[in-house]
Amino acid sequence: GENVEQHPSTLSVQEGDSAVIKCTYSDSASNYFPWYKQELGKRPQLIIDIRSNVGEKKDQRIAVTLNKTAKHFSLHITETQPEDSAVYFCAATNTGNQFYFGTGTSLTVIP
Amino acid sequence: NAGVTQTPKFQVLKTGQSMTLQCAQDMNHEYMSWYRQDPGMGLRLIHYSVGAGITDQGEVPNGYNVSRSTTEDFPLRLLSAAPSQTSVYFCASSYSQGSDTEAFFGQGTRLTVV
Repeated sequence: GENVEQHPSTLSVQEGDSAVIKCTYSDSASNYFPWYKQELGKRPQLIIDIRSNVGEKKDQRIAVTLNKTAKHFSLHITETQPEDSAVYFCAATNTGNQFYFGTGTSLTVIP
Repeated sequence: NAGVTQTPKFQVLKTGQSMTLQCAQDMNHEYMSWYRQDPGMGLRLIHYSVGAGITDQGEVPNGYNVSRSTTEDFPLRLLSAAPSQTSVYFCASSYSQGSDTEAFFGQGTRLTVV
């Protein structure tokens, strides 16, 4: 099956700086890569996603890049704000019914 | 639309007890799945279903049963609870239309087995 690895496990940045979280996957058939944000005690919420036919996608301060050859994808958050503090998960799927998640990155934005 | 609804939100069980976690979705999604979330381990797939009457095992299925008699409901049964099943459980529903797909999560069930 698919194996998704995520780094770093914890990340602290100063407010206004950028944050980058990286994931690798093992199954070349995976074609959809969502990123979820989870606040304490809440459910994971989709913040951005990318499909295998696209190399980069941006949504305001958030961007995701995908390198299919190297099987890795990254989340970039610019101009970080304290409300960006949360746990972020990457995931991969090729079926839409089985999602394989990374182990999460706890992001802290220091005011 | 309520989305994905899970009950209960919290549960404490004694070792050996059985219980069912309920999950319902009103988005007419064909796919539903159960995950458990443990510290430092992300979300791991327990069981999933691609439609009514069809279920299959995920990464960590032992100790859990599921059934999918309707499109809307996908209950997760713990047959004989063990402390190792202490976790936060999330139900999700998703769809796949061509290259378009997205998963929606319930609010989670925090289960403690003592």
